[in-house]
Amino acid sequence: DAGVTQSPTHLIKTRGQQVTLRCSPKSGHDTVSWYQQALGQGPQFIFQYYEEEERQRGNFPDRFSGHQFPNYSSELNVNALLLGDSALYLCASSPQATNEKLFFGSGTQLSVL
Amino acid sequence: GENVEQHPSTLSVQEGDSAVIKCTYSDSASNYFPWYKQELGKRPQLIIDIRSNVGEKKDQRIAVTLNKTAKHFSLHITETQPEDSAVYFCAASIAGGTSYGKLTFGQGTILTVHP
Repeated sequence: DAGVTQSPTHLIKTRGQQVTLRCSPKSGHDTVSWYQQALGQGPQFIFQYYEEEERQRGNFPDRFSGHQFPNYSSELNVNALLLGDSALYLCASSPQATNEKLFFGSGTQLSVL
Repeated sequence: GENVEQHPSTLSVQEGDSAVIKCTYSDSASNYFPWYKQELGKRPQLIIDIRSNVGEKKDQRIAVTLNKTAKHFSLHITETQPEDSAVYFCAASIAGGTSYGKLTFGQGTILTVHP
């Protein structure tokens, strides 16, 4: 079992650019959540996808969008990057039946210059 | 929305001592409280969780207690070992209903266990 996998592991972008992060959930999991973790802080909920739809969203602007594919994998897109978007982006998956038990990937470290 | 406060921000103990990390939450509707351990450069890993219908849960050297009235919960690690050194996060959520899997995390506690 590969667990939750994310790509890329590191990414450097400049202000104003757009970025796409990818996540494959743990085998048997159908729900994917995305979190932003700033340095020295706890993860903050961005949104969650289930059945290819955004089911719930945290307090993040519309520049943050996502998608879930039929195989349950997911993408996080961020447009018009700001310096403050620099963070570790974590993907977490869970089975619908016990959706609160989240299994996290190792994250994508995004640096915006 | 939910707000979770975590204390202390750093904790240093000697190997074999106990460590206690405390969290408070604001939303009385929260009913699921997990704890995650994050080693440097690695993913957060679930180490123990508790639901609001239980006051205490133990798993080997780790235990969690919950006081619903006071809206606080604590992580207790006994007989600490150097490999327990990591950042620990508490979290709260409303399991079920429309708030599926939305965890609100505390700010984290850096635990250092000295040999």
